[in-house]
This record gives sequence, C-alpha cells and structure tokens, in this order.
Amino acid sequence: DIVVTQSPDSLAVSLGERATFNCKSSQNILYSSINKNYLAWYQQKPGQPPKLLIYWASTRASGVPDRFSGSGSGTDFTLTISSLQAEDVAVYFCQQYFRTPYTFGQGSKLEIK
Amino acid sequence: EVQLVESGGGLVQPGGSLRLSCETSGFIFSNYWMHWVRQVPGKGLVWVSRINVDETSTDYEDSVKGRFTISRDNAKNTLYLQMNSLRAEDTAFYYCARALVGGNYLLSWGQGTLVNVSS
Repeated sequence: DIVVTQSPDSLAVSLGERATFNCKSSQNILYSSINKNYLAWYQQKPGQPPKLLIYWASTRASGVPDRFSGSGSGTDFTLTISSLQAEDVAVYFCQQYFRTPYTFGQGSKLEIK
Repeated sequence: EVQLVESGGGLVQPGGSLRLSCETSGFIFSNYWMHWVRQVPGKGLVWVSRINVDETSTDYEDSVKGRFTISRDNAKNTLYLQMNSLRAEDTAFYYCARALVGGNYLLSWGQGTLVNVSS
C-alpha cells in the first residue's frame, strides 16, 4: 500500500499569515504519460464531513478561495494558505488516488495563534 | 444542489450485520464512481471501498475484504454498503462520496452515519 505522511501534526498561525502543510507519499504518484499527480487535499471542520479543496495536486475545486494553493510532484506535496482567515481553522488531509487502497495522511490540525 | 444522505447506521453486536444506504440527488448518479470512507470520531480518514459506474468493478480496503460488499442501484440513485461479521474496530462514521470517472478524488461527501459495534 502507498503510505501517505503529513507534517506537521498541528500548526498555529496568526491571522493574515501563511500556513503550509506537507504531504509525502511512499511511492511516486505522478502518472507521467499524462503528467498528473494523483493527490487531493481536503478540509474538515468540526462536526462536518471533509470538503475537497485541491485535486491533481494543484487544481482548486470549485468555490475554493484562491488563498488556497497546492504544489509538488512525484512524492512531495504542499498545501499553502497564503493569508489565514478565522474560518480556515480545520483539519487538513491529503489523499493519494493513484492506486487502491486510496490512502489518506493522518491529518494536520490548523489553529489560530 | 448536490446531496448525498447516508442512513442505516446504529448499534450492532460484534458478528452482526448492517446495510448502509446513500441516497443521492442533484447530479447524474450513473456518471460517477462512488466511494465509502470511514472515520473513528476524532481520528483520521480511512478509505473503505469504491464502485464504478456499472458495478463491473469494485475494490476494498484489506481489513473489510470478504466482509463488506459495495453495490449501487442507478435507477434509485442509491449506493449501498453491506457490512457483515462486524468487529469493534469497524466502529466509525461512514461517509459516502462521489468521484468523477478518470479521477478518484472525492468531489462531494455526505454527512455520514455512525456505526457502533459493541456488546
């Protein structure tokens, strides 16, 4: 199975500052023939289901504010929130969908400093 | 508006069975692959199973293989998860989610239904 590891486990950032999360896959999840990385990012707020933020490692889902961006390729990926807003407090998960089982990272909890 | 509504969760004894349902609306159900994902309250997400548009292909996480069966009824716009031989470690919220053909990122999710396996 592909193991997905996120860092840090938790992060405290001041409002208006940048937040950065990392996601590492144990195997290459770039499908080179179509140049797509099979990685998604989700946001989960307390008491709610997860919400898709980013797919193909860097494509924002519909309605997601442009302060959220994804980057990376192969095995190493990053989610960045450029200017933290209060409503961004949540747990963030990455997931590989390159090969089943479609494994998730353990999650990174974001709090306001 | 896209909606996915899970039902069928509840308290069941170890070794028992449950059938979860996910009723959908607001999109063309038969055009989407469907997935089940579970989450122990306060813990991480675990992908459980997926099914393609016409039920010709299914896949499962190792710990549920042989015990869980995913299925769908495109005429009723509904996804199912038959869960047999339940164990305490199956206790979790179960979410259904939809995915586009060609990319199994999870576009939208239901609110979840809680399965509690306990004697």
